[in-house]
Amino acid sequence: DQQVKQNSPSLSVQEGRISILNCDYTNSMFDYFLWYKKYPAEGPTFLISISSIKDKNEDGRFTVFLNKSAKHLSLHIVPSQPGDSAVYFCAASLTSGNTPLVFGKGTRLSVIA
Amino acid sequence: GAGVSQTPSNKVTEKGKYVELRCDPISGHTALYWYRQSLGQGPEFLIYFQGTGAADDSGLPNDRFFAVRPEGSVSTLKIQRTERGDSAVYLCASSLTIGPYNEQFFGPGTRLTVL
Repeated sequence: DQQVKQNSPSLSVQEGRISILNCDYTNSMFDYFLWYKKYPAEGPTFLISISSIKDKNEDGRFTVFLNKSAKHLSLHIVPSQPGDSAVYFCAASLTSGNTPLVFGKGTRLSVIA
Repeated sequence: GAGVSQTPSNKVTEKGKYVELRCDPISGHTALYWYRQSLGQGPEFLIYFQGTGAADDSGLPNDRFFAVRPEGSVSTLKIQRTERGDSAVYLCASSLTIGPYNEQFFGPGTRLTVL
């Protein structure tokens, strides 16, 4: 049973436009969420995170939005650049205790020049 | 400084054989994690260490899988009697200490193929 779901396996966006990647979770106990980016033949790298006490966190071109009532989060990238082309993983965790990260299956973003 | 390194980068073995996968974490990181990423899936947690001890091994799929970190630095993931279903990329990550607020730094992974 997937606790973290990324229902779009791929997304294609034109350079300069906004990319929106979506993630849903089923475990209402999750209170910390992260996005990782992965290039081929490399390990995932941390991109941005959000705590459940917030509904938005912004870092440069990247913004994560959290809707707790809907158990939904999204990553916005604006403007999108060709170097953003990668697989993006959503992950969730509990801040109480030392529980491991639970990852979604990932969304492959292609930014077309 | 050096990141997380994993050796070998690729390992091809035959069904039933024993394999060892090595992870060198970032120096000074006390927490070390192993994940498995099968084709089309996200990383799935296997085990993590805080120092030398396995703090949580609930993700290990069965008793053919075992991991050690005897000196609190390098870790080895050991798989006995490999099966074709074990084929995946095995990722290692380390963080300064345990807890979700401590960023996990991932290595490039070891691609294991069981024929």
